[in-house]
Amino acid sequence: DTGVSQNPRHKITKRGQNVTFRCDPISEHNRLYWYRQTLGQGPEFLTYFQNEAQLEKSRLLSDRFSAERPKGSFSTLEIQRTEQGDSAMYLCASSTGGENGQPQHFGDGTRLSIL
Amino acid sequence: ILNVEQSPQSLHVQEGDSTNFTCSFPSSNFYALHWYRWETAKSPEALFVMTLNGDEKKKGRISATLNTKEGYSYLYIKGSQPEDSATYLCAFGGGFKTIFGAGTRLFVKA
Repeated sequence: DTGVSQNPRHKITKRGQNVTFRCDPISEHNRLYWYRQTLGQGPEFLTYFQNEAQLEKSRLLSDRFSAERPKGSFSTLEIQRTEQGDSAMYLCASSTGGENGQPQHFGDGTRLSIL
Repeated sequence: ILNVEQSPQSLHVQEGDSTNFTCSFPSSNFYALHWYRWETAKSPEALFVMTLNGDEKKKGRISATLNTKEGYSYLYIKGSQPEDSATYLCAFGGGFKTIFGAGTRLFVKA
């Protein structure tokens, strides 16, 4: 399967702990996106990479959130000192470059539950 | 603030019914309009990307139209089947400027 891969699928942790998620995009895709989705809402943009460069971050992304894509391939999203409000589905997507008409290919997401 | 609205929020139909949903988006600074299908426990799957006013796209029993001047897109499903049950998301823009609607949740009863 050469689709977007995310792990873990589920993460349950206590408030205050740090968590890290991983995303492996489709290999030839240079663009990578992280989204957060909560019940009843659509995916909400968090951050975007073009190759290894993080080009855009949402104002919603507090300083507890950090994302990396060190070699322009896989990416990690870390949340420090988790809060209950961080409970959500975290989606990763990738796409090719070019015009805005390129569809994004999504992974299955990581569902985070904060106890 | 750019806003993408989808209606209805949810829809229950019988197998064989045809149905349609609406996506409303800002009519200025249009880039592209995307439709995705998101089944439970799976990842969102791209259905259509539309970039030109008047675009019509079709994939099997599903089709979509685009009106960029008035800022809306319709998604149609002809002869709904239980396997069509999913959340249908529209997204305005592109790249990191993509804004998703909250989706229309479709339930098709056999």
